[in-house]
Amino acid sequence: DAGVTQSPTHLIKTRGQQVTLRCSPKSGHDTVSWYQQALGQGPQFIFQYYEEEERQRGNFPDRFSGHQFPNYSSELNVNALLLGDSALYLCASSLEGGRNTDTQYFGPGTRLTVL
Amino acid sequence: AQKITQTQPGMFVQEKEAVTLDCTYDTSDPSYGLFWYKQPSSGEMIFLIYQGSYDQQNATEGRYSLNFQKARKSANLVISASQLGDSAMYFCAISSLNDYKLSFGAGTTVTVRA
Repeated sequence: DAGVTQSPTHLIKTRGQQVTLRCSPKSGHDTVSWYQQALGQGPQFIFQYYEEEERQRGNFPDRFSGHQFPNYSSELNVNALLLGDSALYLCASSLEGGRNTDTQYFGPGTRLTVL
Repeated sequence: AQKITQTQPGMFVQEKEAVTLDCTYDTSDPSYGLFWYKQPSSGEMIFLIYQGSYDQQNATEGRYSLNFQKARKSANLVISASQLGDSAMYFCAISSLNDYKLSFGAGTTVTVRA
């Protein structure tokens, strides 16, 4: 049973550039959430996708956008990168809409460094 | 809004001993779920254990157990018979019926000594 996969593993960008991160959910899962984890902190929720729509969004600017495809995989796009966007980006998948009883399973993360 | 507080930034434990990680939470939703995750230095967030707000019994999963005290709004994780591989950061998180996201605490670093 394949778990959550993310690509790439590491990424280095410069300020002002744009980046796209990818996530494939755990087999059978239909909901994908994205989190940003700065060094030494807990993950912060960016947004969640269900049925190809953004269902909930955290306190992140519009520079952060996403997409979910019919096969439930997802992309996170960040435009106009800032130094403060350097972080570990975690994707999590869950089943049946990600309500409080639905466990979110995380991928290995993409470590983004902005220079 | 939901909030998780983990007051222990770091803990040391001897191999084969038990360790308790503290977690207190705040939520206005009557229905919620509490989760514990382990994050090794590799970065992947590994799900350990879940407790629902209406569950009558404390959750257990192998060497992990959750000491759930609803009136005190606490959900402490107990790791029994610690192993060297348990050295990692541990996060407590909450989600609720009306909120899809997981809200995480700041985490507790556990170091297991041989």
